[in-house]
Amino acid sequence: EVQLVESGGGLVQPGGSLRLSCAASGFTFSTYWMSWVRQAPGKGLEWVANIKQDGSETYYVDSVKGRFTISRDNAQNSVYLQMNSLRAEDTAVYFCTRGGNYRRCWGQGTLVTVSS
Amino acid sequence: DIQMTQSPSTLSASVGDRVTITCRASQSISSCLAWYQQKPGKAPTLLIYKASTLESGVPSRFSGSGSGTEFTLTISSLQPDDFATYYCQQYNGYSSVTFGGGTKVEI
Repeated sequence: EVQLVESGGGLVQPGGSLRLSCAASGFTFSTYWMSWVRQAPGKGLEWVANIKQDGSETYYVDSVKGRFTISRDNAQNSVYLQMNSLRAEDTAVYFCTRGGNYRRCWGQGTLVTVSS
Repeated sequence: DIQMTQSPSTLSASVGDRVTITCRASQSISSCLAWYQQKPGKAPTLLIYKASTLESGVPSRFSGSGSGTEFTLTISSLQPDDFATYYCQQYNGYSSVTFGGGTKVEI
């Protein structure tokens, strides 16, 4: 069974940092693009970042460029999202997803709240 | 960046109704379009990809059509389990992915 389990969310002050993790199982992790998608409370879905199978290519939505970094560890079957200089508008549930195009598999999400 | 305009934003319907949701892309995306269903407090689930390919396990009352800039998701006979929010998503390249604003299907 394919599973994606996110962790690392929580409450952080504006300007702070947080690192999200996603542990994958049930599939050959190293053969898939991975990505993060977020959803602000009561709002729609927003793609955040993609990472290629070997980590050689990464892409971001404009609003997080220069602040967020996506990375992966294929030996640990994990993908990460390092979030720096957090803003109130980054408050959202962050989903880890499998695939860089359409997303067949999603984690349950982890909530990030940016507030003083 | 490619913008995705989804309509309507809210749709009131009854069990048994035929429902159509439209998604328009700001430029051609060929058939690089997916549709998702999301229920409150849950992660989205994939319904359709490549504009018209039904994901395994998804009921056949769901169908997708279109190419280029205009796409539709149709539910042929709305069931109680179908009341949810639906999103389109374009994936014309790995460097930029965009979701539509969503359509809430309610009673």
